[in-house]
Amino acid sequence: ETGVTQTPRHLVMGMTNKKSLKCEQHLGHNAMYWYKQSAKKPLELMFVYNFKEQTENNSVPSRFSPECPNSSHLFLHLHTLQPEDSALYLCASSQDLRPGTYGYTFGSGTRLTVV
Amino acid sequence: DAKTTQPNSMESNEEEPVHLPCNHSTISGTDYIHWYRQLPSQGPEYVIHGLTSNVNNRMASLAIAEDRKSSTLILHRATLRDAAVYYCILRDGRSSNDMRFGAGTRLTVKP
Repeated sequence: ETGVTQTPRHLVMGMTNKKSLKCEQHLGHNAMYWYKQSAKKPLELMFVYNFKEQTENNSVPSRFSPECPNSSHLFLHLHTLQPEDSALYLCASSQDLRPGTYGYTFGSGTRLTVV
Repeated sequence: DAKTTQPNSMESNEEEPVHLPCNHSTISGTDYIHWYRQLPSQGPEYVIHGLTSNVNNRMASLAIAEDRKSSTLILHRATLRDAAVYYCILRDGRSSNDMRFGAGTRLTVKP
């Protein structure tokens, strides 16, 4: 257990479904992130939140919709996904955005399969 | 972020030291060098980071070349649990930027 908890661990959804991924941390961190890891590809940054405000959207399609109600929780709402969206979705948190401080803490991810 | 270059894969024997290299010839004076590793079926895990001086922690040591154009992550005694993909990442200390991963080095540890 890293201190960043992601649920569910596995998710299978149809292309017309709507689902949400949840991420929770009680490390007192102020920044949270969503990453996508497709098979045989490097991790891709999707969204960055700092003090609940979105600071980066890395050209992510609108079928992915993030929500950060407070500094401890981060959601990724999914709708009308495509099979190529199947991947491991990772949440991370950090004390803040400064690179010189302690690093990111990642969750174990949600393995998403779109059928 | 400045680019890093790592070997695609490396092998080591259990209980022997492992030196994982990273080249970053275009590093700027304000870039921090971060290392993460990703074990199978898990998210990445922070290992160590540094700016100019060598760094040690309970997991590993980071040796930074004097010109900062390369660095080496040192695992002092590899165990089977150290088999993972190791990522070397540069992060600019002047900006509140995010962290972007490359392909990393896949380390295999043989018993």
